[in-house]
Amino acid sequence: IAGITQAPTSQILAAGRRMTLRCTQDMRHNAMYWYRQDLGLGLRLIHYSNTAGTTGKGEVPDGYSVSRANTDDFPLTLASAVPSQTSVYFCASSDSQGGREQFFGPGTRLTVL
Amino acid sequence: DQQVKQNSPSLSVQEGRISILNCDYTNSMFDYFLWYKKYPAEGPTFLISISSIKDKNEDGRFTVFLNKSAKHLSLHIVPSQPGDSAVYFCAASANDYKLSFGAGTTVTVRA
Repeated sequence: IAGITQAPTSQILAAGRRMTLRCTQDMRHNAMYWYRQDLGLGLRLIHYSNTAGTTGKGEVPDGYSVSRANTDDFPLTLASAVPSQTSVYFCASSDSQGGREQFFGPGTRLTVL
Repeated sequence: DQQVKQNSPSLSVQEGRISILNCDYTNSMFDYFLWYKKYPAEGPTFLISISSIKDKNEDGRFTVFLNKSAKHLSLHIVPSQPGDSAVYFCAASANDYKLSFGAGTTVTVRA
């Protein structure tokens, strides 16, 4: 693989269920991010990780959790999904030794009913 | 409260003409600005960026202009091509490297 992969591509989920969105990068970037994209709101940062073992809250962290056990993986978990979490989720990574450009995965479309 | 604003949700332009996309920001700590392009069902891809120490950056058909005093930047695409039809996001960064995005502008290039 090259770049960032996300899984699943799309998912329909019943409210109250737990869901983990997966993200893997092979660029050895130290920083990783999770965004949600909603119409009229652009991309909003949910959580981020500057390096393996550390995480931080973004603009809209409530209802989501993340972990960063290693450099390559950055899963996003919805402990108990609600309809307002229906969105398209993008994972991104960047190399803080380089520029501020972030590289994005293809996204996961999540529908919570 | 969004710190990066793209007030035009859409833009339609004739093929071969210039597309001008605008972006305003409120946070004076932003010192680096980026434009991303997004096609349907794909992730955003980086297009062009500019540091606050410059007022212009050019890459082929794409030029970004920065007016720090007005807290305004714009992206010029000339000439516009059908493949430029996409959603364009403006983003800004302070020295913490996190990005704040605008809501996006959908560009449609007419043949």
